[in-house]
Amino acid sequence: QKEVEQNSGPLSVPEGAIASLNCTYSDRGSQSFFWYRQYSGKSPELIMFIYSNGDKEDGRFTAQLNKASQYVSLLIRDSQPSDSATYLCAVKDQAGTALIFGKGTTLSVSS
Amino acid sequence: GAVVSQHPSRVICKSGTSVKIECRSLDFQATTMFWYRQFPKQSLMLMATSNEGSKATYEQGVEKDKFLINHASLTLSTLTVTSAHPEDSSFYICSARDRRGGGYNEQFFGPGTRLTVL
Repeated sequence: QKEVEQNSGPLSVPEGAIASLNCTYSDRGSQSFFWYRQYSGKSPELIMFIYSNGDKEDGRFTAQLNKASQYVSLLIRDSQPSDSATYLCAVKDQAGTALIFGKGTTLSVSS
Repeated sequence: GAVVSQHPSRVICKSGTSVKIECRSLDFQATTMFWYRQFPKQSLMLMATSNEGSKATYEQGVEKDKFLINHASLTLSTLTVTSAHPEDSSFYICSARDRRGGGYNEQFFGPGTRLTVL
C-alpha cells in the first residue's frame, strides 16, 4: 500500500526561525511531490511542487527531494505567525493521476 | 484562473437523508475530478476519481452505492451521500484537473463542504 509519512507535530518555532518539515514515501516509482498548506477548516493550497532531486527555492520556501532515500522536505525561512498551519506532503502515484497525502505536520510559529 | 467552487459550503442534515455536493470548475474544463474526505486531524483520503462521461473509480473501502458520483459535464461533478449517518460527518473536498493537462499541478482544489449528520 502506498504511504506518505509525516511527523504530526506540533512543530513549534519562534518567529524568524527556520522551520523544517519532513516527509517520506513508500512508492519508489513516484514522480512528483507536492507541499500544501492547510488552515483549519479550509481546503489545501499549493505551496510548491518538486520532481527532480535536489533543492527548489521559491521565496521563503525551499523544497528538497532525495529519491534514493524516498525523502522530501520543506524549509520555511524567516517563519512568520501567519505560517502557522498544517503542512501536507502529497505524492503523485506512478499512474500520474491521484495525489496521496500524508497526515500533515502542524506548525506553530510564535511571535 | 483555475477556480474550483463547491456548494454547499456547510450542510447539516438528519440521519437517513441524502445530501448532494456540487463541484464546479469555473474557468476551465475538467475531464477528471477527485473527491476527498478529511476527518478531524486526519489527512485527505481519496474517495473516488470521476471522469467526465464515464463511471467513477472508487478507492478500496468506499461504498459506491452510498457515495454516488456523477460527472455529467466538463465543469460539474456531484457527490451524493445517500442515507447519511453520523459517521459520514466529515469535510468533503473536490479537486479538478484541467483537461489541457501539462505541468505538475494540474489539480485545483475546491473550498470544501462541511457535512454534519445529526
